[in-house]
Amino acid sequence: GENVEQHPSTLSVQEGDSAVIKCTYSDSASNYFPWYKQELGKGPQLIIDIRSNVGEKKDQRIAVTLNKTAKHFSLHITETQPEDSAVYFCAASKNSGYALNFGKGTSLLVTP
Amino acid sequence: GAVVSQHPSWVICKSGTSVKIECRSLDFQATTMFWYRQFPKQSLMLMATSNEGSKATYEQGVEKDKFLINHASLTLSTLTVTSAHPEDSSFYICSAIGAGGAQETQYFGPGTRLLVL
Repeated sequence: GENVEQHPSTLSVQEGDSAVIKCTYSDSASNYFPWYKQELGKGPQLIIDIRSNVGEKKDQRIAVTLNKTAKHFSLHITETQPEDSAVYFCAASKNSGYALNFGKGTSLLVTP
Repeated sequence: GAVVSQHPSWVICKSGTSVKIECRSLDFQATTMFWYRQFPKQSLMLMATSNEGSKATYEQGVEKDKFLINHASLTLSTLTVTSAHPEDSSFYICSAIGAGGAQETQYFGPGTRLLVL
C-alpha cells in the first residue's frame, strides 16, 4: 500500500520567515496530494492540494510543489505568522475520491 | 467550502457502554464518508470507508462488529462504538466527499473526542 513519509516532525521559525515541509510517497499510482492544517482539538482543514498533472500551485502565502519522478511534494509557507502555528499533514491518494494516506505530521511553531 | 459537522464534539462513557457518533454533510450530498481515528500526537488512521446505501469497508485490524458504521442517507453517517473500553478512547474524525465525479475534495469534520472510563 501507499506509504507517506513527512519531514520534519517539528519545525520552529521566526515570524516572517519561510517554512518548508517535505513529503515523499511510495505508490506511483497516487495522483492527488492535499495538505491539511490541524489546530489543537480540531479536525483537519484543507489548505491546498495539487494533482499530478500540475507541478506547482500557489495560494497567497502558501505553495505546493510536486515532483512526480522523485515522488515527493513540498509545502511552502512564506511570511509566516503566529497563527500559522499548528500541525500540518500531507496526504496522498490515487484519486481525490479515495481515502487519504497521511504523513505523520509536522508541528510548526511560529514565534513572534 | 463545504461543511461537515460531527455530534457530539466530546463524550465520556463508562466501560462496556455503546456510543454513537454522527457525521453530517451540511451543504452537500456525500456519496462517500470516511472514518478516521487519531491518538494523541499521532496521525490520522483510516478505520473504514462508508458509501451511501451499502456496507462499509473496514481497514485491516478494525473490528467491524465493534465499530458499526451506517450511511443511511447522502448527508449522514454514524459510527457506533459498541462495548467501549478505555483503549477505544481517541479522537474520531469523519470526512466526506460529494457527488459528481472523481475530482472532489475531501472535507473533514471537527472530530469527536471519546473518553472511556
